[in-house]
Amino acid sequence: GAVVSQHPSRVICKSGTSVKIECRSLDFQATTMFWYRQFPKKSLMLMATSNEGSKATYEQGVEKDKFLINHASLTLSTLTVTSAHPEDSSFYICSARVGGTPTYEQYFGPGTRLTVT
Amino acid sequence: AQSVTQLDSHVSVSEGTPVLLRCNYSSSYSPSLFWYVQHPNKGLQLLLKYTSAATLVKGINGFEAEFKKSETSFHLTKPSAHMSDAAEYFCVVSEGGTYKYIFGTGTRLKVLA
Repeated sequence: GAVVSQHPSRVICKSGTSVKIECRSLDFQATTMFWYRQFPKKSLMLMATSNEGSKATYEQGVEKDKFLINHASLTLSTLTVTSAHPEDSSFYICSARVGGTPTYEQYFGPGTRLTVT
Repeated sequence: AQSVTQLDSHVSVSEGTPVLLRCNYSSSYSPSLFWYVQHPNKGLQLLLKYTSAATLVKGINGFEAEFKKSETSFHLTKPSAHMSDAAEYFCVVSEGGTYKYIFGTGTRLKVLA
């Protein structure tokens, strides 16, 4: 149980275009989802916390107009990178927390490799 | 504020020898602690978690970790390394209230034949 999927696994886009990444909890309801960014050979950096039905909370230094997060349902959150530039190329990972429980455990998706040319 | 320090950025061991990956945490209250493993270009897999139950936690693939409050440590160990253990390991402390994860900087484990 507690499986999180991400789509696509890899995406290449041209500079200036937008790209959407989906994060789904397949067998549980996720009231809270998290979006991380990972640079090569680095740790994960939390970008934002997404609660179902409300606006995402962004970490300091993360541009909310550039990284649009929508958590429209209990099983789906999306991250849209708008007007992508080569410096946005990175590995993006989402995670989800099981709703209605006190557990702190997050379940991670397999990640999405974004390359902006 | 919570924080976590992974004391070694790289660890090399020979196959069949013990593994020790060190992690120290800082927390103002009883934390939840996790160890995750990440293989190249893959997502994170949970190895084990401590959530205020038994202080010695057993995880998958023969890994275990001991929560030592007096030393604020949560070191990861395995009696005998396998080639497939070569990966990046992250120690994580969770932040109360927000449920956020605070990640350590990671330890890259190399297993020598």
